[in-house]
Amino acid sequence: NAGVMQNPRHLVRRRGQEARLRCSPMKGHSHVYWYRQLPEEGLKFMVYLQKENIIDESGMPKERFSAEFPKEGPSILRIQQVVRGDSAAYFCASSPADEQYFGPGTRLTVT
Amino acid sequence: AQSVSQHNHHVILSEAASLELGCNYSYGGTVNLFWYVQYPGQHLQLLLKYFSGDPLVKGIKGFEAEFIKSKFSFNLRKPSVQWSDTAEYFCAVISYSGGGADGLTFGKGTHLIIQP
Repeated sequence: NAGVMQNPRHLVRRRGQEARLRCSPMKGHSHVYWYRQLPEEGLKFMVYLQKENIIDESGMPKERFSAEFPKEGPSILRIQQVVRGDSAAYFCASSPADEQYFGPGTRLTVT
Repeated sequence: AQSVSQHNHHVILSEAASLELGCNYSYGGTVNLFWYVQYPGQHLQLLLKYFSGDPLVKGIKGFEAEFIKSKFSFNLRKPSVQWSDTAEYFCAVISYSGGGADGLTFGKGTHLIIQP
């Protein structure tokens, strides 16, 4: 059983470009969570999704960030018009219920 | 809002020393508690979890944690550490506020270095 997959592992974008981060949950998991980790900080919750639904987006910045988890395919975290402050590691976790399993993360660098 | 405090940001120990990492959370209602570990270059892995029942929980690799509700604490312990325990350790809490589970709230992490 493959674990949570994230790609790309490393992403470099220039200021103003768009970043798309993908997360494929573990087989059978219908809950997906996105977290952001800034240097010297713990992980911060961003958004919780189930198939085709956003359940809780209380941790998402109000602008430029969006997430989806379509009926088919991976969950996507999209950051429009990236700025240097978006540089961070973005982790996805999937869950069948209460226990979350984490992917390896995508390290986004904005130049 | 829920918050999680890890008191030690950096801990250096010698092999065979005993370990205790502190974790306190703020929410007074129903919580599930977790400790995750991140080894160098690897992703987060679950060490142990507490949902209900016996407040002393045993995890992988000889780790255990004790949930003390009156102190809002969930400290991680290991009687004798090994060099391979060098990693970042995160305490996390998920709270239930009537509408269902929210995302995990993490502490800032403790960087543990074990010297041979």
